[in-house]
Amino acid sequence: SQKIEQNSEALNIQEGKTATLTCNYTNYSPAYLQWYRQDPGRGPVFLLLIRENEKEKRKERLKVTFDTTLKQSLFHITASQPADSATYLCAPQDSNYQLIWGAGTKLIIKP
Amino acid sequence: KAGVTQTPRYLIKTRGQQVTLSCSPISGHRSVSWYQQTPGQGLQFLFEYFSETQRNKGNFPGRFSGRQFSNSRSEMNVSTLELGDSALYLCASSLTFRGDKNTGELFFGEGSRLTVL
Repeated sequence: SQKIEQNSEALNIQEGKTATLTCNYTNYSPAYLQWYRQDPGRGPVFLLLIRENEKEKRKERLKVTFDTTLKQSLFHITASQPADSATYLCAPQDSNYQLIWGAGTKLIIKP
Repeated sequence: KAGVTQTPRYLIKTRGQQVTLSCSPISGHRSVSWYQQTPGQGLQFLFEYFSETQRNKGNFPGRFSGRQFSNSRSEMNVSTLELGDSALYLCASSLTFRGDKNTGELFFGEGSRLTVL
C-alpha cells in the first residue's frame, strides 16, 4: 500500500540555521506533492505545491525539492526563526488526486 | 473572506453515544473533505463531498457517515462511539473535488476535538 514517511523525531534547529525536513514515499509515483504547516490545535495551512517535472520550488525562505528517482521530497527553511516552529506535513497526491498524508515532522527552532 | 468554520470546537462524549460535527466551507467552495487526526498518525481521509454527492470514501467503518447540503455546508456523524474515535476531526474545503484533476490546495478549519470517555 502507499506509504509516506517523515522524520518521526522532533527536529531541533538553532535560530538562523537551515532546517531540512524529509518526506519519503513508497509504492506509488505521485505527480504532485504538497507541504503544509500545522500549529498545535489548529488545522494545517498550505505552503507549497511541487510537480514531478519541477526539481525545485521556492517561496521566500522556503524551498522544496522533488526527486522522483529517490522517491523523496526535501523541505528547507533558510534563516530559521522561532516562529517557524510547528509541525510540517508532506502530502503527495495519488493517481486519483487524493492527498496521502505523512504523520508530520515537529520542528523546533531554538533562539 | 471567511475561512472554513467547524463546530463545535471541543466536545466530550461517552462510549455508545453518537456525535454530529458541522463544517461551513469558504464561500464559493463546493468540495468538503473530512479527515481524522490522532497523535503520531497522518491525516486519515474519511470522505469527500461535492455538489451534495459523496465523491470518495476512506477506509472507515460504516459508523462514520456524512452529508452535504445545497449550500455546500457539510456534516459528519459518528454513531456508537468507541474510545478509539477520540481524535481531532478536520474539515477542508476546495473549489472542486480531487477526482476532477484538482491539484489545488486544501483550506482547513480549526477542527473539532472529540474526546470519548
